[in-house]
Amino acid sequence: TQLLEQSPQFLSIQEGENLTVYCNSSSVFSSLQWYRQEPGEGPVLLVTVVTGGEVKKLKRLTFQFGDARKDSSLHITAAQPGDTGLYLCAGNKLVFGAGTILRVKS
Amino acid sequence: GAGVSQSPRYKVAKRGQDVALRCDPISGHVSLFWYQQALGQGPEFLTYFQNEAQLDKSGLPSDRFFAERPEGSVSTLKIQRTQQEDSAVYLCASSFSLGGNYGYTFGSGTRLTVV
Repeated sequence: TQLLEQSPQFLSIQEGENLTVYCNSSSVFSSLQWYRQEPGEGPVLLVTVVTGGEVKKLKRLTFQFGDARKDSSLHITAAQPGDTGLYLCAGNKLVFGAGTILRVKS
Repeated sequence: GAGVSQSPRYKVAKRGQDVALRCDPISGHVSLFWYQQALGQGPEFLTYFQNEAQLDKSGLPSDRFFAERPEGSVSTLKIQRTQQEDSAVYLCASSFSLGGNYGYTFGSGTRLTVV
């Protein structure tokens, strides 16, 4: 089983602050996805990264895939209350991390 | 439909009762997955279908759990003799790609509460 570890588990910040969420594994993945989940809903796909070292931007969100394709990060610039949710990373072998609960206070 | 549809949204079952959870994937999606999610945690894999074939059921927690997708579209997850530890949100996801390497589309889930 490929284990994906996410950190931090919980993050509470003020509106306008920057933050980074990490997803790490000892295994190599051919692809990795990031999802955001709100209460009472299913996870929604944000991005898929495939190439080692790849950087993808989605408005204020920046995703990076590690060179060795074992880790990834999600950086949010100037966080807003609407960014609040559970952020999940998932590997191509049907495994999810435990998630990072983000709360952005106004 | 435009998205993955799950029914019912909420289910309360008495301990020992059998339940059936339904998933309507996006039309044409060959891959279908079931996950179990505890509050505030990431989804835990249960089983995976490619069309009508159940290719992986290693995540099913016991022989009380059974899933089927007889015609390669709609899938049903059945739990027999429910126990309190079965209380969770059950998520269904589908993907156009084999194995979901390019991401899944999730339904809103079924919240099962066993009392």
